[in-house]
Amino acid sequence: QLVLAQSPSASASLGASVKLTCTLSSGHTSYAIAWLQQQPEKGPRYLMNLNSDGSHNRGDGIPDRFSGSSSGAERYLTISSLQSEDESDYYCQTWGTGIRVFGGGTKLTVL
Amino acid sequence: QVQLQESGPGLVRPSETLSLTCTVSGDSITSHYWSWIRQPPGKGLEWIAYIYYTGSTNYNPSLKSRATISADTSKNQFSLELNSVTAADTAVYYCAREMTTVTARETVINYGMDVWGQGTTVTVSS
Repeated sequence: QLVLAQSPSASASLGASVKLTCTLSSGHTSYAIAWLQQQPEKGPRYLMNLNSDGSHNRGDGIPDRFSGSSSGAERYLTISSLQSEDESDYYCQTWGTGIRVFGGGTKLTVL
Repeated sequence: QVQLQESGPGLVRPSETLSLTCTVSGDSITSHYWSWIRQPPGKGLEWIAYIYYTGSTNYNPSLKSRATISADTSKNQFSLELNSVTAADTAVYYCAREMTTVTARETVINYGMDVWGQGTTVTVSS
């Protein structure tokens, strides 16, 4: 079964960096994913797609403070130079034949 | 610039059918995947269904018996119907594009849900 696992919460200080993790289920470790940001009271915004080799393409207007990387079943989103507006929920999303899956989301608090 | 806009009633009675439409501008629904997603209050995102430009459809197994997705290419719209609704169907409903490209060897490359509508709140209540 295709499943994405995310930690429910994370925190980091203003100006620092943070690395969020999305873990693919066994048997699906080569899958690509997308990272989405949802600011409070807003709809999701596409950040990037991320392949198993770590290559990624940011969405239109997404600053290079947002980057992606991969290792095995893990897909990472790194946000550098944290700003207050980065305080959001972050979701990973993937796709298989006939199915689409979201991770449970990570709530990022900027201290 | 691609834009998606959801429309439909904000209040639906229990046991009735929820009907929503997504109007697409700046792109044609005759390419890519087009999905419905929902988010109950205080919870995460749940995929409901998608329609591919070929007309093929797929559904979340948990909703498959109640959901129908369709498209009207003449209006560049796609729609969702969810029947026999209960309070558990109360949520913000989003439509989204899932961008794809096709290689020279006809391999479909998917980039994820890259464009989203602003969402529409649907409350199920008598």
